[in-house]
Parts: sequence; C-alpha cells; structure tokens
Amino acid sequence: EVQLVESGGGSVQPGGSLRLSCVGSGFSFDRYGIHWVRQAPGKGLEYVGNIGINEGNRFYANSVKGRFTISRDNAKNTVYLQMGSLRVEDMAVYYCARDFKDGTFDYWGQGTLVTVSS
Amino acid sequence: DVQLTQSPSSLSASVGDRVTITCRASQVIGNYLVWFQQKPGKAPKSLIYSASSLQSGVPLRFSGSGSGTHFTLTIDSLQPEDFATYYCQQYNIYPPTFGQGTRLEIK
Repeated sequence: EVQLVESGGGSVQPGGSLRLSCVGSGFSFDRYGIHWVRQAPGKGLEYVGNIGINEGNRFYANSVKGRFTISRDNAKNTVYLQMGSLRVEDMAVYYCARDFKDGTFDYWGQGTLVTVSS
Repeated sequence: DVQLTQSPSSLSASVGDRVTITCRASQVIGNYLVWFQQKPGKAPKSLIYSASSLQSGVPLRFSGSGSGTHFTLTIDSLQPEDFATYYCQQYNIYPPTFGQGTRLEIK
C-alpha cells in the first residue's frame, strides 16, 4: 500500500524556520517526484513546489522561492521541505503528494499543520 | 500562471440528483486537468485525470469532460458520501494551479 506521512509541523514565530519531512512507503520511492501543496485554514489548495527524481530538478512557487528548499534522501525514503523566513501567510496544512503524469498527484499524505504566529 | 475558475462556488443538491461543476482555464491547457474531492480534515482525493479518465477505484457515477479551456465534472445520482468540496487542477503549465473549489452541500 502506497503511503506518505508528513511530520515536523508546529508553531513558529514570524521570521522563524521549520523543516517538514515526508516519508514514503509501499512504492519505489526513488522513481517518483514528490510535490508539496498547502492549504491555509478554510482556504483552497496552493502549490508550493516539487523535487524530481533527480535532486537537481526542483521547482518553487513564486510565493516561497528563496525562502523554502526541497531536498530528498532516497536512502531514507524521505523528502524534506525546509522553510525559512516564515510569514503569517505561510500558515497552513502542508501536504506532500506523489507525482502522477508530471504535474499532478495520485497519493497524498495526511498533512501537517504549520502555525506562524507571534 | 494559469488561472482556473470554478462555477458554482457552492451548490446544494439532494441524494439522487445529477450535478455538474464547471472549470474554466485562462489559457489552453489541452486535457491536462484533474478533479479532486476533499472532505473536511482529509487530504484531497483524485477522481479524474486527463480531463476524462477515471482514477482506479472511483465510482462510475463520476465523469469528466472537456479540453482546451472548458471542463466539467458530472456526478450522476449523488450519494451521501459525495457531499464534499471539489477542486480542478491543471498540470499542463508550471506551476500547477487549482480552482478555488466548489462546495457541494446537502439540500
């Protein structure tokens, strides 16, 4: 069974940093790109970025470019989302999702909540 | 970025009804469109990909159509478990973008 499990969410002050993890199981992790999508409380879905099979292939939404970094450790079946210079508007549930057809998503994690507040 | 506009934003319907949700793209995206269903507190679930292909395990009452800039999701004979929020998402042009969502409520 394909599973993705996020962790690392929590409460942080504006300007702070946080690292989220996404652990995959039930599939050949190193053969799939992984995306991050977020959802602010009561709002819609927003694309954050992705990392391809090759770590050199990464994309970031303009809203997080220069502040967030995505990396992967295939030995640990894990993708990371390093978030820095956090803003109130970054507060959201963050989901990781497996790539399907190069740009959409077939399996999602359960999400992890990031709260940014002073 | 490609903007996706869903209509309606909310919809009230009864069990057994047939409903249609529309998604319009700000530019041509071919058939690179997905429909997701999301229930409160849960991750989105993919229903339809490539505009009209049903994901494995999704009931046949769900169908999708369209190409270019105009797409529809139809649910035949609504079931109680179908009341949720639905999102379209394009994956033709990066970044992938989502519609604002359509909330389907019980009448």
